[in-house]
Amino acid sequence: GENVEQHPSTLSVQEGDSAVIKCTYSDSASNYFPWYKQELGKGPQLIIDIRSNVGEKKDQRIAVTLNKTAKHFSLHITETQPEDSAVYFCAASTSGGADGLTFGKGTHLIIQP
Amino acid sequence: SAVISQKPSRDICQRGTSLTIQCQVDSQVTMMFWYRQQPGQSLTLIATANQGSEATYESGFVIDKFPISRPNLTFSTLTVSNMSPEDSSIYLCSAAAGTGVSGYTFGSGTRLTVV
Repeated sequence: GENVEQHPSTLSVQEGDSAVIKCTYSDSASNYFPWYKQELGKGPQLIIDIRSNVGEKKDQRIAVTLNKTAKHFSLHITETQPEDSAVYFCAASTSGGADGLTFGKGTHLIIQP
Repeated sequence: SAVISQKPSRDICQRGTSLTIQCQVDSQVTMMFWYRQQPGQSLTLIATANQGSEATYESGFVIDKFPISRPNLTFSTLTVSNMSPEDSSIYLCSAAAGTGVSGYTFGSGTRLTVV
């Protein structure tokens, strides 16, 4: 089955700097890659997603890039703010999400004031 | 996107008992799923809740332990049966509307502690 690896497990950046979180997946048939933000005591919140027919997608300060050849995708957050502090999860699916998602282990992003 | 309500938000249960978790979506959705998240860990898919038929379980999860119902397009339940301390975890319901199958929404989760 699909295996998703996520790095780093913890990332500390200064407010205003950029943060990059990377994920690799094992199944070349994967075609849907969402990113979730989870704050303490809450459920995961979808922040951005990308499909395999697109190489990059951007939404304000957040962007995701996908390299199908290398089987990796990354989340980029620019101009980080204190409210960006949370745990971020990447996920992958081989069925466009129809059979559920396989998640990475998460990255605890800490924004230092 | 769909808004999901889960009940209860948390519970403390005695080992050997069962707990049923409810998931209510504010609009009709095509896909509903149940996940487990152990404290500080990632999410693991338990099963796909199929409307009008038996749920589809992932490897390591069985119907006798985690029976699931989905009587309509807005509601599902997950029961954790014959609980042991190892079942202590956060259980999350997820749903997506439409045939595009993207933009999965999650409920806030049910934090279960088995003593």
